[in-house]
Amino acid sequence: ETGVTQSPTHLIKTRGQQVTLRCSSQSGHNTVSWYQQALGQGPQFIFQYYREEENGRGNFPPRFSGLQFPNYSSELNVNALELDDSALYLCASSSSTHYAGGQETQYFGPGTRLLVL
Amino acid sequence: DQQVKQNSPSLSVQEGRISILNCDYTNSMFDYFLWYKKYPAEGPTFLISISSIKDKNEDGRFTVFLNKSAKHLSLHIVPSQPGDSAVYFCAAPTNTGNQFYFGTGTSLTVIP
Repeated sequence: ETGVTQSPTHLIKTRGQQVTLRCSSQSGHNTVSWYQQALGQGPQFIFQYYREEENGRGNFPPRFSGLQFPNYSSELNVNALELDDSALYLCASSSSTHYAGGQETQYFGPGTRLLVL
Repeated sequence: DQQVKQNSPSLSVQEGRISILNCDYTNSMFDYFLWYKKYPAEGPTFLISISSIKDKNEDGRFTVFLNKSAKHLSLHIVPSQPGDSAVYFCAAPTNTGNQFYFGTGTSLTVIP
């Protein structure tokens, strides 16, 4: 069983550019959530995808968008990059859309560190 | 809005002693609270959780205490080991369960 993988590991972009980050979910998981972790902060929920549909969104502008593919892998796209978009982007896969107690079923990837200059 | 808060950015503890990490929350509707541990260059990993109907949950060296009246929870690690050195996040899912609120994390250093 492979874990959650993310690519690339690091990325440098300039303000105004667009970026695509990728996430391969753990085998058997149909739900992917994306988080942004700015320096010194905790992860902040961007959105969740379940069976290729967006299933909940945090307080992020529309220039943050996503996709989920039939194999449940996912992409996070950010348009018109701003300096404040510099952060670690984490994806997490799970076999459930919500937490219902007990052992957590959400597994995080190692993240993509994005620097916007 | 910071619904889950960790006010101590860092903590140092001697090996073998107790580590106590604290977390406060503002939303009394949370049903569960979770603690995650994060090593550098790795994603957060689940450590332990507690239901809002309980006041204590224990798993080996890790115990989480919940004080609902104070909207406060704490993670106790006894005895602390050097391998416990990591950043610890407390988190709470929304009632729909699909969105987690995370605290800002506490970096624990266990000194051998």
